[in-house]
Amino acid sequence: NAGVTQTPKFQVLKTGQSMTLQCAQDMNHNSMYWYRQDPGMGLRLIYYSASEGTTDKGEVPNGYNVSRLNKREFSLRLESAAPSQTSVYFCASRVVQGRIDNEQFFGPGTRLTVL
Amino acid sequence: KNEVEQSPQNLTAQEGEFITINCSYSVGISALHWLQQHPGGGIVSLFMLSSGKKKHGRLIATINIQEKHSSLHITASHPRDSAVYICAVPEYYGGSQGNLIFGKGTKLSVKP
Repeated sequence: NAGVTQTPKFQVLKTGQSMTLQCAQDMNHNSMYWYRQDPGMGLRLIYYSASEGTTDKGEVPNGYNVSRLNKREFSLRLESAAPSQTSVYFCASRVVQGRIDNEQFFGPGTRLTVL
Repeated sequence: KNEVEQSPQNLTAQEGEFITINCSYSVGISALHWLQQHPGGGIVSLFMLSSGKKKHGRLIATINIQEKHSSLHITASHPRDSAVYICAVPEYYGGSQGNLIFGKGTKLSVKP
C-alpha cells in the first residue's frame, strides 16, 4: 500500500505558466481533498471531491481547477500561476460514511514556488 | 461553521518534560483529530477521538465535549517529538462531506 502519493515534490513556475499537480490513493477512499499550507495559517481547503464524479469548492478555490479522474486520482490544475499561489500543497483522502468520522491520510506534499 | 483555536503557538521544552497542547472549538463535533507534521513536511494522523481519552505510547489525547476542548499530552518528551502538532475538527456539526478545518498548529521543539 503506497497510501496517498503526489507528484511532483517540488516545482518552480514563472508567473502565467500552468501546471497540474497529481494525486492518487490506493486505499479505496471515496473522498479526496486538496489543501494549501502557508506560513502562520492552518491548512486551507482548496477543492474537494466527496465521491467519484463530484467536485466542490472549498475555502480558497480561486485560481485553481480540479478533476476527479476516477476513484483513485484527483488532480489540481493552476491555469495561470501567480506569486500568491506559492505554497505547499497537500492532497488527502478518507472514507466518509454519513456522520461516521474516519482518519484522514495525507500525501507528502508539493512545494510550489511561483516567481 | 466551526472555528478552532490552538495554544500555544510555539513551545520549547527540555528533554523529559511533560508537554500539553490545547485545542478549543466552537461547534459540537462528531470527532476531533490530532495530527503531527514532521520537520520534513509529512503529515500523519495521531488520534481521532470523540470522547474520553486515548493513549499511544507516550502520547495521550483527551477531549471534553461539554467544554469543547481537547488536550494533547506528551510524557517524557524527547527531541524526536519536535514537530508541529495540528488539531482538526469537522467544518459543520453533522456534516456529511467530511470536510475538516485545521488549527494553525503548535510548533514544539524539545531540546536535549
